[in-house]
Amino acid sequence: NAGVTQTPKFQVLKTGQSMTLQCAQDMNHNSMYWYRQDPGMGLRLIYYSASEGTTDKGEVPNGYNVSRLNKREFSLRLESAAPSQTSVYFCASSEFRTANTEAFFGQGTRLTVV
Amino acid sequence: QKEVEQNSGPLSVPEGAIASLNCTYSDRGSQSFFWYRQYSGKSPELIMFIYSNGDKEDGRFTAQLNKASQYVSLLIRDSQPSDSATYLCAVNIANYQLIWGAGTKLIIKP
Repeated sequence: NAGVTQTPKFQVLKTGQSMTLQCAQDMNHNSMYWYRQDPGMGLRLIYYSASEGTTDKGEVPNGYNVSRLNKREFSLRLESAAPSQTSVYFCASSEFRTANTEAFFGQGTRLTVV
Repeated sequence: QKEVEQNSGPLSVPEGAIASLNCTYSDRGSQSFFWYRQYSGKSPELIMFIYSNGDKEDGRFTAQLNKASQYVSLLIRDSQPSDSATYLCAVNIANYQLIWGAGTKLIIKP
């Protein structure tokens, strides 16, 4: 059982380049999330998808777009990468029918924008 | 701005002692509180959640919640070197959303 799988694990981009981070979960969860984690800061929510067919902005959405392709997959796109987007990105999924449900995380993508 | 505050540490604790980690939050409407552990270079993993005032115990871990004072804590008894990690506090602010603290780095000294 793979859980949450995100690709790639590492990526270096030049300023202005674009890329898509892929995420897939096999736990049949309705809700999926994209976070970024910077040194000295907590996880910050970029976008989330409460259920298939819906997406909403989180705390730091500027510079990003998302697509909930189906129930399993939730991708994050950087259209024009900036050095400020250098971070570790985590995808997560959960079943938030109640507020007490565990979020499962992918292994993370370490992105450097030069 | 809804916030979750944690002491960044590092918190150094001798092996076998009790490690005490604290977290305060600003949103009085928060209902659920989570403790995650994150090893260096790895993703967060859930240790415990709590939503009622008082204590919740799971093995060597005890979560404590005081909604009136807006704090939640995690106690780790009989600390082991394998407990060395960063501990993240997360608080739900609305359905589907969590606000995260920056984490406390815990070091267990053999």
